[in-house]
Amino acid sequence: EVQLVESGGGLVHPGGSLRLSCAASGFTFTNYWLHWVRQAPGKGPMWVSRVNADGDIISYADSVKGRFTISRDNAKNTLYLQMNSLRGEDTAVYYCAREGDTSMAPLDFWGQGTLVTVSS
Amino acid sequence: SYELTQPPSLSVSPGQTASITCSGNKLGDKYSCWYQQKPGQSPVLVMYEDNKRPSGIPERFSGSNSGNTATLTISGTQAMDEADYYCQAWDTTTVIFGGGTKLTVL
Repeated sequence: EVQLVESGGGLVHPGGSLRLSCAASGFTFTNYWLHWVRQAPGKGPMWVSRVNADGDIISYADSVKGRFTISRDNAKNTLYLQMNSLRGEDTAVYYCAREGDTSMAPLDFWGQGTLVTVSS
Repeated sequence: SYELTQPPSLSVSPGQTASITCSGNKLGDKYSCWYQQKPGQSPVLVMYEDNKRPSGIPERFSGSNSGNTATLTISGTQAMDEADYYCQAWDTTTVIFGGGTKLTVL
């Protein structure tokens, strides 16, 4: 069974940093692109970032570029999101999601999410 | 930047057909997919490559995509189908979501 389990969310002051983790199991981690998607309270999902299987092809949404860094540790089957210079508008549930096994496939499995609250 | 537009809400009676639309420039030239999200839960993929159902998704869910509009159709809508539905497509290497449609079954 595919499982994606996010952790690391919490309350952080504006300008602060946070590192999210996503532990994966139930599939061959090194075969898949992975994503971070966030959802602000009462809003729809917004794509944040994407990384390929080897960790060397990365893209970001414009709203987080230069502040967030996606990475993965294939030895630990874990995806990360380092978030710096956090703003109030970054407040959201952050999901990790697996991209299906074809090019630019849908996000076929999602974690349960971890809540990030940016507030003073 | 590429945008996908959905109606904010749709109401149907149980047993009726619900058609949820998603509009975008030349969307028919891309693959569309759809996610269902119930309150407090993560999104679940219910349609991909316009009209393919993932394993476990009931046959009453179907999809189409042509021109500028993709459509998710739920035939014989049930109370359990009440949820938010989001379309999604790719714009080069970026994932784009629609704003979502709240489906009410009453």
